[in-house]
Amino acid sequence: GQNIDQPTEMTATEGAIVQINCTYQTSGFNGLFWYQQHAGEAPTFLSYNVLDGLEEKGRFSSFLSRSKGYSYLLLKELQMKDSASYLCAVRDRANAGKSTFGDGTTLTVKP
Amino acid sequence: NAGVTQTPKFRVLKTGQSMTLLCAQDMNHEYMYWYRQDPGMGLRLIHYSVGEGTTAKGEVPDGYNVSRLKKQNFLLGLESAAPSQTSVYFCASSPATGALYEQYFGPGTRLTVT
Repeated sequence: GQNIDQPTEMTATEGAIVQINCTYQTSGFNGLFWYQQHAGEAPTFLSYNVLDGLEEKGRFSSFLSRSKGYSYLLLKELQMKDSASYLCAVRDRANAGKSTFGDGTTLTVKP
Repeated sequence: NAGVTQTPKFRVLKTGQSMTLLCAQDMNHEYMYWYRQDPGMGLRLIHYSVGEGTTAKGEVPDGYNVSRLKKQNFLLGLESAAPSQTSVYFCASSPATGALYEQYFGPGTRLTVT
C-alpha cells in the first residue's frame, strides 16, 4: 500500500516563495503527481515526476528523490490566486492507472 | 469537448434511500475512478475501472457499487444511504497510454444524508 504525508496548512506572503513537502512510503512507485484544488472546486493537474530531479513549469516546480521517498512543490512569485489546497498523489506500480492521494496542504497567501 | 461531467451536482437523501451518481467523459479515456472527499481530507478511492465492463475496489468500497457498461460512463450506486456517506464525490478519468496518466476530474457531487 501507500502512505503519504504532507503538512496540513501553510501560510505565505504575496510575492514570496513557498515549498510544500510530501513524503511517501510505497510498496511500488510509478510516478508522483501534484494537483491544485481551490475551495469548492475539483482538483486540477499541476506536475508529474517519475525520475529524480526538478521539473519546472513557469512559476511552479516539482522535485523528486525516489531513494528518500520525498517530493516538494515550489511556488514562486506567489499570487493571491495561489491560495488553494495542494494534493500529492503517488501512482501504483502494480496498477498504472491507480493513484493514492495525500490529505493535501492548504496554502493561504496573504497580502 | 465537455471533459468529465457529473450528475447531479447536489443531492439530499434520507437514511436508507438509494441513488445513482452518473459520470460521463468524452475524452475516450480507458480508466475511470470514483473518489470521496471529506472536509479537510484528501481524495479516497472508492472504486475504479480500467476498461468497459471491468471494475475494481479501491480503499473505501463498502456501501457502494459501480458499473461501467459503456466506455464513456461510470455509475456509482448507493443502495442504502447512511449519514457516514455524506461527502463530496468526484469522478475522474485518465488515459491508459502515454507518460502521464494524469487524471481529469469532474466538478463533484455534494451529497448529504440525513
